[in-house]
Amino acid sequence: DTAVSQTPKYLVTQMGNDKSIKCEQNLGHDTMYWYKQDSKKFLKIMFSYNNKELIINETVPNRFSPKSPDKAHLNLHINSLELGDSAVYFCASSHRDSNQPQHFGDGTRLSIL
Amino acid sequence: AQSVTQPDIHITVSEGASLELRCNYSYGATPYLFWYVQSPGQGLQLLLKYFSGDTLVQGIKGFEAEFKRSQSSFNLRKPSVHWSDAAEYFCAVGPNSGGYQKVTFGIGTKLQVIP
Repeated sequence: DTAVSQTPKYLVTQMGNDKSIKCEQNLGHDTMYWYKQDSKKFLKIMFSYNNKELIINETVPNRFSPKSPDKAHLNLHINSLELGDSAVYFCASSHRDSNQPQHFGDGTRLSIL
Repeated sequence: AQSVTQPDIHITVSEGASLELRCNYSYGATPYLFWYVQSPGQGLQLLLKYFSGDTLVQGIKGFEAEFKRSQSSFNLRKPSVHWSDAAEYFCAVGPNSGGYQKVTFGIGTKLQVIP
């Protein structure tokens, strides 16, 4: 059983397009995250939701809009894609407390042409 | 705000040799500390974590890490490396203040294992 699943795994698109990445977790966690991993493997948090409420919103262009329809899902919509958006995007989930480890999906590799 | 440093970007070890990956953190109190491993094409997987108590923690796949408050370090060790251990390793620090979790990840150390 897949714990944290993201779709699609690969996304190749042209500059200026709008795209979405979906994430679902079946672990019963109440907190979900989006991370961006650049070509140098640096992992940077973008957003976090707890029970559908936005709790972490890092300095991210407003072209990125997360949506959490329920605590098991956290989607990421990106408008007007730019070359610099090329990266691997990871979804993760955990229980809310600081000492709880995060469980990661396998990532979505986004390539902008 | 917390921060974490992994001084070694890339490490190469021979199969069967011992391994130590370094991690230093900056935080006002004792933080929550984690080590994750990322195999190619996959997400991060938790190896081990430290919250309090015994400063030597055991993890999966034969890994262990030691918390040293005086050195602000949380180095990862394995006595005998296997070829399957080749991966990217991330140290992470989280605030020990309750409430919402914002974990900061290091830049990662890439481990190469040679026969």
